[in-house]
Amino acid sequence: EAGVVQSPRYKIIEKKQPVAFWCNPISGHNTLYWYRQNLGQGPELLIRYENEEAVDDSQLPKDRFSAERLKGVDSTLKIQPAELGDSAVYLCASSQTRLGYEQYFGPGTRLTVT
Amino acid sequence: AQKVTQAQTEISVVEKEDVTLDCVYETRDTTYYLFWYKQPPSGELVFLIRRNSFDEQNEISGRYSWNFQKSTSSFNFTITASQVVDSAVYFCALSERQGAQKLVFGQGTRLTINP
Repeated sequence: EAGVVQSPRYKIIEKKQPVAFWCNPISGHNTLYWYRQNLGQGPELLIRYENEEAVDDSQLPKDRFSAERLKGVDSTLKIQPAELGDSAVYLCASSQTRLGYEQYFGPGTRLTVT
Repeated sequence: AQKVTQAQTEISVVEKEDVTLDCVYETRDTTYYLFWYKQPPSGELVFLIRRNSFDEQNEISGRYSWNFQKSTSSFNFTITASQVVDSAVYFCALSERQGAQKLVFGQGTRLTINP
């Protein structure tokens, strides 16, 4: 069974440029998460989707970050414009829609903003 | 509010030694779940184990074992007879019923197994 797929794996952009990350979750997993992991830290949740509905986006900096999951399957996270402090690894995860089920993570996108 | 503390930032041991990674959590919920993930140099977080708050039985899986103690709010992870391939960053995480599947991670412990 295929795992969580993310692309691109690496992205280098200049500040003020836009950037987008794509995620395809494990088949059958209705819950999808985007996390940000800063260097030397644990991941922090940005947004959680149940199917196509964003049910928790309280940690998403909405002035520059946006996300969508139009058909309830794959998802895109966008930053516009990027700032130096956005340099981090952006992780996508998916799980079954039941409380306490483990989340499976993709390989992440390492973003460097120069 | 939920919080996870991994006080050990880095641990370095020689191969075949046993090593224990500590995890202490805070929660006001009575229903919660604890997890351990491994992050090797490749970067992908790998799920290792999940425990719910009503099951304090310790678990053993090969060289890995987990000790869950609600009395001390701890969920420690022991690797027996460590191997070089165990080198990675290990994260402990918590999700609460009230937090509805939001995983809160500790800072992680970087484990280095030297040959």
